[in-house]
Amino acid sequence: NAGVTQTPKFRVLKTGQSMTLLCAQDMNHEYMYWYRQDPGMGLRLIHYSVGEGTTAKGEVPDGYNVSRLKKQNFLLGLESAAPSQTSVYFCASSWSGGAADTQYFGPGTRLTVL
Amino acid sequence: DAKTTQPTSMDCAEGRAANLPCNHSTISGNEYVYWYRQIHSQGPQYIIHGLKNNETNEMASLIITEDRKSSTLILPHATLRDTAVYYCIVRADNAGNMLTFGGGTRLMVKP
Repeated sequence: NAGVTQTPKFRVLKTGQSMTLLCAQDMNHEYMYWYRQDPGMGLRLIHYSVGEGTTAKGEVPDGYNVSRLKKQNFLLGLESAAPSQTSVYFCASSWSGGAADTQYFGPGTRLTVL
Repeated sequence: DAKTTQPTSMDCAEGRAANLPCNHSTISGNEYVYWYRQIHSQGPQYIIHGLKNNETNEMASLIITEDRKSSTLILPHATLRDTAVYYCIVRADNAGNMLTFGGGTRLMVKP
């Protein structure tokens, strides 16, 4: 049981390049989330999904797109990377979105945009 | 979700109990208190959560005051591996509701 995994662990992009971050979970969770964490800051929610085929905007969605084609995978895309998107990206999953439910986090992807 | 206030940093001697306070004076009746920690830029790790009653698990204890306006996370025997940033979060029972992370408390466990 690997929990939540993220690919890649590190990436360096040039401004304007595109990339996709992959999150996978093997806990059969319905809900999945993408957060970003800037240096010295707490996490901020980018997008989330309440089930296969659904996505919704979080606190800071601009510049990102997501897709949830399979229940176990949640993809985060950057179409045209900007230096302001340099951050650590964390994926999380949970059974439901209820307050009594726990979110489980992946190890993170460290992205640098030059 | 209600806002939380935590001290920026705390020190604790190895083997002693670490008591991390959190104020959430505007908490609503349906909001849970959650604690997560983040060790050196790893993904946040769930510790414990509660609504009204005190809770205990293998990692920690959570003490919530009777008026629910503050809580304390207790690590009973802190080790060096407990050095981390600890986040206190209050969260309502809405579907898809996010976890709102503030600044947290940087706990340094010293030998």
